[in-house]
Amino acid sequence: QKEVEQNSGPLSVPEGAIASLNCTYSDRGSQSFFWYRQYSGKSPELIMSIYSNGDKEDGRFTAQLNKASQYVSLLIRDSQPSDSATYLCAADSSNTGKLIFGQGTTLQVKP
Amino acid sequence: DGGITQSPKYLFRKEGQNVTLSCEQNLNHDAMYWYRQDPGQGLRLIYYSQIVNDFQKGDIAEGYSVSREKKESFPLTVTSAQKNPTAFYLCASISRSYEQYFGPGTRLTVT
Repeated sequence: QKEVEQNSGPLSVPEGAIASLNCTYSDRGSQSFFWYRQYSGKSPELIMSIYSNGDKEDGRFTAQLNKASQYVSLLIRDSQPSDSATYLCAADSSNTGKLIFGQGTTLQVKP
Repeated sequence: DGGITQSPKYLFRKEGQNVTLSCEQNLNHDAMYWYRQDPGQGLRLIYYSQIVNDFQKGDIAEGYSVSREKKESFPLTVTSAQKNPTAFYLCASISRSYEQYFGPGTRLTVT
């Protein structure tokens, strides 16, 4: 069974701090990795995609991928209360077009 | 504006009735997906379609049916055989780089 694992949290950080969200995956054939943000009652919104080892930065967000360790992370710098949401990690299932989603980590940013 | 639309946003039905959820996309994506999300749970794949007139079962297809007669449309029918149909239903389509985009969702309540 191919899996994506995330700590469900909640992860609580003070406003202005760095939030670090982590994810591991079991399918060594996965090539594409994604982070989604989901506010309560809303649908998931794609915020980052990463395909190769290393870091990828977009504004306050940095995604990190380590295929050898089968590990993906998302860093949110200068966290804001508006970042409070559930963050879903997803990995493609060996380029089938199907994504496998983790259960999500709830982030709380306290003013 | 390119995107995915789902209708209705909220749907209430009596037990024993079939109900069809609409999903339309104008992103020119080939593949489309249906997920179900229960409170506090991750996303579970119901059905997916990679081309017109073809679709495959996901992890929880029992009690559901789909059709894909047009590239833009992928309706989901929740039949009376689905034992626990109350959930948040999400439709998505995928780009060539495997980025999956979601519609706003339909919240179905069956009593």
